[in-house]
Parts: sequence; structure tokens; C-alpha cells
Amino acid sequence: AQSVTQPDIHITVSEGASLELRCNYSYGATPYLFWYVQSPGQGLQLLLKYFSGDTLVQGIKGFEAEFKRSQSSFNLRKPSVHWSDAAEYFCAVGSYNAGNMLTFGGGTRLMVKP
Amino acid sequence: KAGVTQTPRYLIKTRGQQVTLSCSPISGHRSVSWYQQTPGQGLQFLFEYFSETQRNKGNFPGRFSGRQFSNSRSEMNVSTLELGDSALYLCASSLGQYQGELFFGEGSRLTVL
Repeated sequence: AQSVTQPDIHITVSEGASLELRCNYSYGATPYLFWYVQSPGQGLQLLLKYFSGDTLVQGIKGFEAEFKRSQSSFNLRKPSVHWSDAAEYFCAVGSYNAGNMLTFGGGTRLMVKP
Repeated sequence: KAGVTQTPRYLIKTRGQQVTLSCSPISGHRSVSWYQQTPGQGLQFLFEYFSETQRNKGNFPGRFSGRQFSNSRSEMNVSTLELGDSALYLCASSLGQYQGELFFGEGSRLTVL
């Protein structure tokens, strides 16, 4: 069975500092990998996705993520965090065979200090 | 382009009752998926519908059911509500069945007393 682990439940960074959110997955075949963001009281918004090809993917709002097969990781990064980035971030894994059924990690809540 | 619309946004029910939640996908999207979000269990997949057929189902009891109409709108139903069913129910739509890129609604927050 596939699974996703986000080791950090909470992270606090200062505005302007760099950010890295960790995501490790377990899946037998080639995974489809996603990062979603959820602001309070809102649904989830897709930040970026990896299906195949270049292992460094760019997303919206200045985010990027790198797929490392050897480490089963798909960490999310941003060089300079803005106060509006405060939200909860979810890593998810899927596959072609699973249709639109995604397995989500537990989420990382990001707080941004002024 | 209108996003995914879920109704109602908030509702309160008592144990034993049943509830129906509605989801209107983005125009042109034919796949609708449902997820349950709780503080304890996180985001869990309920089921996915494509062209009025259930394509995938998560590990939930039979009290949870859904359907999709010819216009791609979807409903999910929970019968004999339990306290543990209190959650945010999120609907997501996608262009096709194997897109993986889901567009989520704001959810229906169900409280069971």
C-alpha cells in the first residue's frame, strides 16, 4: 500500500527566510507526486505536480520541489517566504492505475514570523 | 470559470440521522472525487466517480455512498450518522479519470452531535 510521511507537523520560519518542507513516500511503482496548500477554511490548491521527466519541478507562488527516487522523497522548497504563505501543506502520491485516488500525508502547518 | 461548488457549507446533524452533500464540478470536468478530512485521520479518499460510474472506493463502511449525475454533479450520502463522521468533506473535480490534478471545493463541514 502506498503511504506518505510528512515528518514535520509544524514549522515556523521568518519572513524572507528560505523554506523546505519534507515529504517521503512509499510506493512500489513510479509515483505521481503532488503538493497542495490549504488556507484556513479553504479547500486545497495544487502547488505543483511530478509525473515524469525533469526531477525538479516548478510550481505556482514561487515554489519548487525535487523528486529523489533514491531517497523516496519529494521535498518542497521556496527561497524566500512571504507572510501569505502561512498555511497547511500536504504532500500526496498517486499513480496512473489509481485514477484520481490520492494518498495524502498528514500535513505540515507553516507559520511565518514577521 | 467557476470553481468547484459544494453545498451546504456547514451543517449539524444528530447521531442516527442521514445527510446528503452536493458537489458541482468545474464545467467540463467529468471526474469527481470525495475526501474526508479530520484532525485525527487527515485526508482520506472516499470514492471517485467518472461518467456516472464509481471508479475507485476508499476504505469506508457502506454507510458512505455516492452517485454522479449525467451533468457530472455528484452527491454523497452518509446514513446512520456517528459522532466520528464529524469532518470536513471535500469534493474535487478533474478533467479526466487519470489526471491526478484535482481542483478542490471549499468543503462541507459536518458536525454530528
